[in-house]
Amino acid sequence: SYELTQPPSVSVSPGQTASIPCSGDKLGYKYTCWYQQKPGQSPVLVMYQDSKRPSGIPERFSGSNSGTTATLTISGTQAMDEADYYCQAWDNSTVVFGGGTKLTVL
Amino acid sequence: QVQLQESGPGLVKPSETLSLTCTVSGGSISSYYWSWIRQPPGKGLEWIGYIYYSGSTNYNSSLKSRVTISVDTSKNHFSLKLSSVTAADTAVYYCARFEYTKSDVTWFDPWGQGTLVTVSS
Repeated sequence: SYELTQPPSVSVSPGQTASIPCSGDKLGYKYTCWYQQKPGQSPVLVMYQDSKRPSGIPERFSGSNSGTTATLTISGTQAMDEADYYCQAWDNSTVVFGGGTKLTVL
Repeated sequence: QVQLQESGPGLVKPSETLSLTCTVSGGSISSYYWSWIRQPPGKGLEWIGYIYYSGSTNYNSSLKSRVTISVDTSKNHFSLKLSSVTAADTAVYYCARFEYTKSDVTWFDPWGQGTLVTVSS
């Protein structure tokens, strides 16, 4: 079965750029989306179709996907961005989630 | 704005069937796909399956033998049944609208608030 791999944790200083990778076999040929989940809350879509931002998501969030890695980038990271982030793709008629990355802003 | 709300028992005994309903408000259930996703405490997200408003379904192969998702367009809700549950099925269960385009672009939005289901005797 298809797998998406994310690092368990990423740290970033306030105001700096955070990059969260998601890797999978030939992932660049698939479309990836990203969810943000804060403690005790439901996941929220922050990126879809690799690089499209839903309405209401700040411009500091951007996405890319090429080769075997999709990346969610947060520019000018703020304390409110501290959360778990999950990537998701579609393979062989199956939804696949990455294991999640905890973003710490310190 | 479409909103989803899960409902159902928060405690289920081992070997019994877990049953949840997701009520859609602020929009029609028609013309969309709808899905269930779960998250064990402290762990990641697991897709359970989806249903189209017409009734066609697709399930995660790891759960397929125990899962049934159904839809009632007259009540604007869809439901999940998971049979023969064990402690490993303890999780927060979310319902969500599933966007699925012809180009295989997929995403979930919006999500319900989630409901914790504990499997215990």
